[in-house]
Parts: sequence; C-alpha cells; structure tokens
Amino acid sequence: ILNVEQSPQSLHVQEGDSTNFTCSFPSSNFYALHWYRWETAKSPEALFVMTLNGDEKKKGRISATLNTKEGYSYLYIKGSQPEDSATYLCAFQTGANNLFFGTGTRLTVIP
Amino acid sequence: GAVVSQHPSRVICKSGTSVKIECRSLDFQATTMFWYRQFPKQSLMLMATSNEGSKATYEQGVEKDKFLINHASLTLSTLTVTSAHPEDSSFYICSASSGILYEQYFGPGTRLTVT
Repeated sequence: ILNVEQSPQSLHVQEGDSTNFTCSFPSSNFYALHWYRWETAKSPEALFVMTLNGDEKKKGRISATLNTKEGYSYLYIKGSQPEDSATYLCAFQTGANNLFFGTGTRLTVIP
Repeated sequence: GAVVSQHPSRVICKSGTSVKIECRSLDFQATTMFWYRQFPKQSLMLMATSNEGSKATYEQGVEKDKFLINHASLTLSTLTVTSAHPEDSSFYICSASSGILYEQYFGPGTRLTVT
C-alpha cells in the first residue's frame, strides 16, 4: 500500500479568499497524479491529471502544480466561492490505472 | 461528460445475508471497471479490477469468495457481498474506464450497513 498524504484534513475559508492544499506521494514509480473534486452524495469529478514534473494545469479559478522529484502536488483555488465547498482528493497512479488515494481535504467556503 | 451510476445508494441488511451493488456506465462502454471501498476517516482503497468478460483481479487481502464481481457486459458490473457481517459495513464506490489512458469515471457510491 502506497502512502499518499493530504493536508490539511479540513479547512474553512471566507468567500473570496484564496486557498491551497497539498498532496504528497512517493517519488518513485510515478505514472500520474490525479485531483478529484467530490461533493457529498455525488460522484467524484476529475479535475486534473498531471504526468510530467513541473506540470501546471488550470481550470477556471482552480489550478494545480506537480513536483515528481520531491513527491508533492499543490491545488490552488483563487477567490473561493461557496460552490467550491467539497472534498478534494488526490490520487497517485503507478501504472495500469491503479490509483492510490489520499484521505482528502474537506473545504468549506463560508459566505 | 461520462456518467456512471450506482445502485442502490444506501442499503441496510442483516448479518448473514447477501447484497448486490450495480455499477453502470450510462453513455460509454467500460472495458474496465474498478471497485473501491472506504472505511470512516480512511482513503478509498481499491478492492478489485474487472475487465469485461474476464475474471476480476483482486487486491491483496480482499476475499474473492466474499466479494463476487461480475462484469458481464460493457456497461454493467456488479459487486455482491456474500454473507455480509457488520465489519463489511462501508462505503463502496465503482469507477469505469473505456481504456483511454488515465481515465476513470466514478459512480456516486453505495453506503452499506450490516446490522
């Protein structure tokens, strides 16, 4: 079992604040790093897949960076909105679609 | 985007009975489906991988005779928890892939409670 850690476990931010979370993963046998957004009672929604060291991806106000050599990825949310409230999961892929998930960061955006 | 449904969303059953959970890909053909479970405060853990028409591959520590997986068509996989016990109470979630690299689409999950 591979160790994928996410921090913080949870956080509350005010609407309009920017925030970021961390995902750390093993620096060997890297294939891809996934970020998912998971709202209660819904399916996890894929945000980003990153495969190359130094990758930066952006989708609206959300962006992510990847450092495979040191084994971490950051997810940034600019100008948080209440609809951003969700659990954000990262998953480390070693190959053949095997995903190893972190426990997630639960974000609550306070209006 | 690709949609995966799961049924039921919640189920309560008595100890010793069997429960079947369905996972369907609604708008694409899923050559591979994955079953995960999540215990409280823990991460999603892969239980097994199934390819259409083939036997499922189970992860270490997952009993294949207890968790029966059938992937008989390109749009449907089922997980049957046989002779369920309270320790099987968990959140079970499936994902599906059409074979495109890095792609997995998740269902909304099933909360199983065994009393």
